[in-house]
Amino acid sequence: EPEVTQTPSHQVTQMGQEVILHCVPISNHLYFYWYRQILGQKVEFLVSFYNNEISEKSEIFDDQFSVERPDGSNFTLKIRSTKLEDSAMYFCASQGESNYGYTFGSGTRLTVV
Amino acid sequence: DAKTTQPNSMESNEEEPVHLPCNHSTISGTDYIHWYRQLPSQGPEYVIHGLTSNVNNRMASLAIAEDRKSSTLILHRATLRDAAVYYCILGRAGNMLTFGGGTRLMVKP
Repeated sequence: EPEVTQTPSHQVTQMGQEVILHCVPISNHLYFYWYRQILGQKVEFLVSFYNNEISEKSEIFDDQFSVERPDGSNFTLKIRSTKLEDSAMYFCASQGESNYGYTFGSGTRLTVV
Repeated sequence: DAKTTQPNSMESNEEEPVHLPCNHSTISGTDYIHWYRQLPSQGPEYVIHGLTSNVNNRMASLAIAEDRKSSTLILHRATLRDAAVYYCILGRAGNMLTFGGGTRLMVKP
């Protein structure tokens, strides 16, 4: 069954450093998303991406965050200057058509120290 | 966003059916009813979704009330691997999903 692949599985970074989280969505999917889950809390929406642009973003997704789909296969989330409170599991998801179910990746655990 | 209400937790015995309820009294006509689950230390996993009619797939069945103000996810024979948090989420086509607290399902051997 097709999968959404996320790398790395675990990233440790110093506060203030930039990180890039990588995702390879399912190849024929059109809609792409990033979510995060702080330990013990709910899954929170960050951003959605369709037709090479951001279609929706949450209040969490401020100027420190950006997304790119540089080569038609990868979908990246960049955090420019990480804070301690950015420590969380980050999940990428993709969707084939707008009324289909989402496929989530297994996540990247980001630890900011 | 229209909200859903789910019990915090439920218990089931292995190999018995499980009915997970969800209330969504403010659902709009274009909202799909989605169910996802999250196993421990994993990402959310799609289970099933529907708009008006009941739906079946290899994982579960979704029974939607005629007025669409509630729905029930049915696992026909619970296994230990079905122990997870189950989320009932309303979503419009192409829009993001808003996760609530979900129902933690515990399956007893």
